[in-house]
Amino acid sequence: AQSVSQHNHHVILSEAASLELGCNYSYGGTVNLFWYVQYPGQHLQLLLKYFSGDPLVKGIKGFEAEFIKSKFSFNLRKPSVQWSDTAEYFCAVIDNTNAGKSTFGDGTTLTVKP
Amino acid sequence: ETGVTQSPTHLIKTRGQQVTLRCSSQSGHNTVSWYQQALGQGPQFIFQYYREEENGRGNFPPRFSGLQFPNYSSELNVNALELDDSALYLCASSNSRADTQYFGPGTRLTVL
Repeated sequence: AQSVSQHNHHVILSEAASLELGCNYSYGGTVNLFWYVQYPGQHLQLLLKYFSGDPLVKGIKGFEAEFIKSKFSFNLRKPSVQWSDTAEYFCAVIDNTNAGKSTFGDGTTLTVKP
Repeated sequence: ETGVTQSPTHLIKTRGQQVTLRCSSQSGHNTVSWYQQALGQGPQFIFQYYREEENGRGNFPPRFSGLQFPNYSSELNVNALELDDSALYLCASSNSRADTQYFGPGTRLTVL
């Protein structure tokens, strides 16, 4: 069965620090990849996505992610975090041969100290 | 543009009862997916409906069932509730089966 691993459960950073959150998935076929974010008191919302093409994708609020097919990874990065980035971040994968099913990681809680 | 809405917000049931949760999809979306999210975990896929047909199903027993209506709104029904069914139930709509999902606020179900 397909699985998604987010290795960091809770990350605490100071403002202006760089961020990298890991995401690895188990499926070897064609996939659509997503990072979703949930800010305190808000719904889950899309941060960025990768379907095909340039493996380096840019999202909202200065976030980017790199798809490395050989490593089954889709890590999220931001060069300089802000206090407002405090949120929970979820990596998700859709297997294109079973397009109805999404698999989410267990999430990473990011706390940014001012 | 109206986002995804879910009702009710909170619900308390007792073991063995049945529950129906409702979801209105975002305007123009024909696909609805349902998730169960336990505390400290990511959303677990229950099933997806695409144009009124079940399009995919996760590892949930048959007592979890659903429906999608011609206006693409959807219901999640859970029969014979168990204590472990206590969770946040999320609905998400999308333009297609493998595209970006737009999530509702969720329904918090507590089973006593």
